[in-house]
Amino acid sequence: GDSVTQMEGPVTLSEEAFLTINCTYTATGYPSLFWYVQYPGEGLQLLLKATKADDKGSNKGFEATYRKETTSFHLEKGSVQVSDSAVYFCALSDRGGSGNTGKLIFGQGTTLQVKP
Amino acid sequence: GAGVSQSPSNKVTEKGKDVELRCDPISGHTALYWYRQSLGQGLEFLIYFQGNSAPDKSGLPSDRFSAERTGGSVSTLTIQRTQQEDSAVYLCASSLASGTGYQPQHFGDGTRLSIL
Repeated sequence: GDSVTQMEGPVTLSEEAFLTINCTYTATGYPSLFWYVQYPGEGLQLLLKATKADDKGSNKGFEATYRKETTSFHLEKGSVQVSDSAVYFCALSDRGGSGNTGKLIFGQGTTLQVKP
Repeated sequence: GAGVSQSPSNKVTEKGKDVELRCDPISGHTALYWYRQSLGQGLEFLIYFQGNSAPDKSGLPSDRFSAERTGGSVSTLTIQRTQQEDSAVYLCASSLASGTGYQPQHFGDGTRLSIL
């Protein structure tokens, strides 16, 4: 079945460092890809998405590009802040429409700790 | 506007008891999802409702788990004869109809279930 694999954490960085969290997927169809973030004590929030190959999702300085040839959707940020400390989840879903549910399949999550 | 509301926020119960978890989706959202977040298994899909269609129950881990959605709005997830491995955070999400293609899912804050 479909699956998502992301790098294990925790990832510890100093403020203003460059961030990469790797994510690869396996899917039989042509999924949509997402990054969700869970800040301490808060619920799960959509960070960014991409729905087709070569799409780049971006939000709050984070970016990820849908790479069909490498089945990857790596999350990057040029300069992290302490406030970015959170758990990041890569996820995929089928594309909705007849016969599909849009349910999300998540990676295991990567904890990011940013130190001042 | 109001987001996805889940209750209770925390539930502690003894092994063998039945529990009911409630989800109130965003008004107008016809798609509703339940997920489970546990230390050992990460985030897992449980069940999906879309309007009056038969639910997708493919993620329910055993027949002790059931869910219903009354009037196309509020949903309850019931766990019978709870076991310690049922301890987890149960998340509910809602979205506009997935049958029209990708629609973002909005998550509640979850119910933290602890089985003694």
